[in-house]
Amino acid sequence: DTAVSQTPKYLVTQMGNDKSIKCEQNLGHDTMYWYKQDSKKFLKIMFSYNNKELIINETVPNRFSPKSPDKAHLNLHINSLELGDSAVYFCASSQESGSEQYFGPGTRLTVT
Amino acid sequence: AQRVTQPEKLLSVFKGAPVELKCNYSYSGSPELFWYVQYSRQRLQLLLRHISRESIKGFTADLNKGETSFHLKKPFAQEEDSAMYYCALVTGGFKTIFGAGTRLFVKA
Repeated sequence: DTAVSQTPKYLVTQMGNDKSIKCEQNLGHDTMYWYKQDSKKFLKIMFSYNNKELIINETVPNRFSPKSPDKAHLNLHINSLELGDSAVYFCASSQESGSEQYFGPGTRLTVT
Repeated sequence: AQRVTQPEKLLSVFKGAPVELKCNYSYSGSPELFWYVQYSRQRLQLLLRHISRESIKGFTADLNKGETSFHLKKPFAQEEDSAMYYCALVTGGFKTIFGAGTRLFVKA
């Protein structure tokens, strides 16, 4: 009965490839987020969507494109992967912007 | 600038000792502050928020607007408290800024 789920859990790919990470929440929340956690465990917000609309887009390269087909899903597509993209990516959701966030288990992306 | 500072990357204490994880923030508006915890091999989860003023797993945190701090405290640390702790600031209702995190290690 997972609240926020992400697939895949692990992703190993080569430089230059394009990959997607999927996120789904069954909490009925209006807001969803993507975070990047680097090797030093620093957690930084990348995007935030509210009711399928982009409300936060931090200084993330254009190679990263979020897509929200509906309120329950927020997918992350990454083009032309680079070594520096290796990290753990977390999806999260909240009832409304600014309230408690529920996190997914994370996707560990390794670019070789 | 909006910022959350957790000055300690690693905090190591003995079981039964008091623990304080520091968090300072920089924000001109009215802050909403949270502490999140990530246990080994588990997902990040909310520990407590300043508006609820409650104690969770023996932890408390008081917002001090004068010192712009939101330190997390527990009088007697337990081994199961070992985890990564993140202080988070929510600004303007939309943006969440996390601190760099403090790894707490409680020794037997």
